[in-house]
Amino acid sequence: GAGVSQSPRYKVAKRGQDVALRCDPISGHVSLFWYQQALGQGPEFLTYFQNEAQLDKSGLPSDRFFAERPEGSVSTLKIQRTQQEDSAVYLCASSQGQSNEKLFFGSGTQLSVL
Amino acid sequence: GENVEQHPSTLSVQEGDSAVIKCTYSDSASNYFPWYKQELGKGPQLIIDIRSNVGEKKDQRIAVTLNKTAKHFSLHITETQPEDSAVYFCAAADTAYGNKLVFGAGTILRVKS
Repeated sequence: GAGVSQSPRYKVAKRGQDVALRCDPISGHVSLFWYQQALGQGPEFLTYFQNEAQLDKSGLPSDRFFAERPEGSVSTLKIQRTQQEDSAVYLCASSQGQSNEKLFFGSGTQLSVL
Repeated sequence: GENVEQHPSTLSVQEGDSAVIKCTYSDSASNYFPWYKQELGKGPQLIIDIRSNVGEKKDQRIAVTLNKTAKHFSLHITETQPEDSAVYFCAAADTAYGNKLVFGAGTILRVKS
């Protein structure tokens, strides 16, 4: 595709619900990243994939957060039993090579947990 | 781990003036320093980046300078235009170890016409 696509654009969840956020990276991009952006803050790293391998998940805040990229293209970030502090914009980014240089970001999914 | 501090948090300039945003980082192993521009409702967009073996890089009205000794780097925008109004983020990373970009808290730039 022309850019990184994320869906849904907005998600409202009741506390305790599970949510799944989807990312379609730029075709052929090897690296895929998930970031969390709280209101008025810079993005914070969650996890990194190189093709289908999850090489770094050190930024995932708890075991309620899970990410996958089973075929090395589309990725899903799943949050179980959502809490109010999970409310944020979740950004996906991809890059052509095996590094964090020259990332292309999607527009994000704004998650609101009520 | 790496810590990036960015200032000012907000910056207002008159159209045509220059704008400077400064960042400091803590990890001397960091070797890659990108700058991103984020408009309302959109994801960050890379505008310029610099590696540690270079002291300065310029792309039209935008330039970045890096001082590795002092561990700080700056974004310079000349001849500002209203469309430059956005939030700007600096970031730092050690590309030889892991793939985590650490971002600053952002600067809201307003260009008044």
